[in-house]
Amino acid sequence: QKEVEQNSGPLSVPEGAIASLNCTYSDRGSQSFFWYRQYSGKSPELIMSIYSNGDKEDGRFTAQLNKASQYVSLLIRDSQPSDSATYLCAVFSGNTGKLIFGQGTTLQVKP
Amino acid sequence: DTAVSQTPKYLVTQMGNDKSIKCEQNLGHDTMYWYKQDSKKFLKIMFSYNNKELIINETVPNRFSPKSPDKAHLNLHINSLELGDSAVYFCASSRGQPAGTQYFGPGTRLTVL
Repeated sequence: QKEVEQNSGPLSVPEGAIASLNCTYSDRGSQSFFWYRQYSGKSPELIMSIYSNGDKEDGRFTAQLNKASQYVSLLIRDSQPSDSATYLCAVFSGNTGKLIFGQGTTLQVKP
Repeated sequence: DTAVSQTPKYLVTQMGNDKSIKCEQNLGHDTMYWYKQDSKKFLKIMFSYNNKELIINETVPNRFSPKSPDKAHLNLHINSLELGDSAVYFCASSRGQPAGTQYFGPGTRLTVL
């Protein structure tokens, strides 16, 4: 079982729709959870972090965490073509000091 | 001002050669990392240094040797390059102890022929 799993996609949504990206993780001791965005040929860029169960909203982005189900998600409202990128879920363990990434979900937002 | 910089951006070399990649951060961070991103876009930690001290050393061939001359710099030297070393290598940094909020450099695309 991979430590952090994501559906690689591509996930295709029309402009203005809600994009929903999901991630599961295996280490119950994980303490903090992150979503990074990576445009093609560019470096990963942090867009959201979440540390406790529930929802966290930042502009058009909402991160959701359910530690009991070991599940993290990212919702992007009013999706724009500029949101087209690969979204990397990442899980940090303070015990190991490692940030473990999923394989990423490619999102395509069609005008 | 670039926060995390890497040189070179592209590196094309023959099998068996030795090469180095340099990384510098001007964020005042204490922890720096090297990641490898393979052709399937999977991003994996290789090494981590905190205040020049090696704290994470993943299962990486010992042909890879990181060096941190000071906390703002982390270099990666690779000996006897192999075809499978072809990838994009990212340097990253974070404040204080290792953390999930990391700032990535632009990456170095290494191609071994």
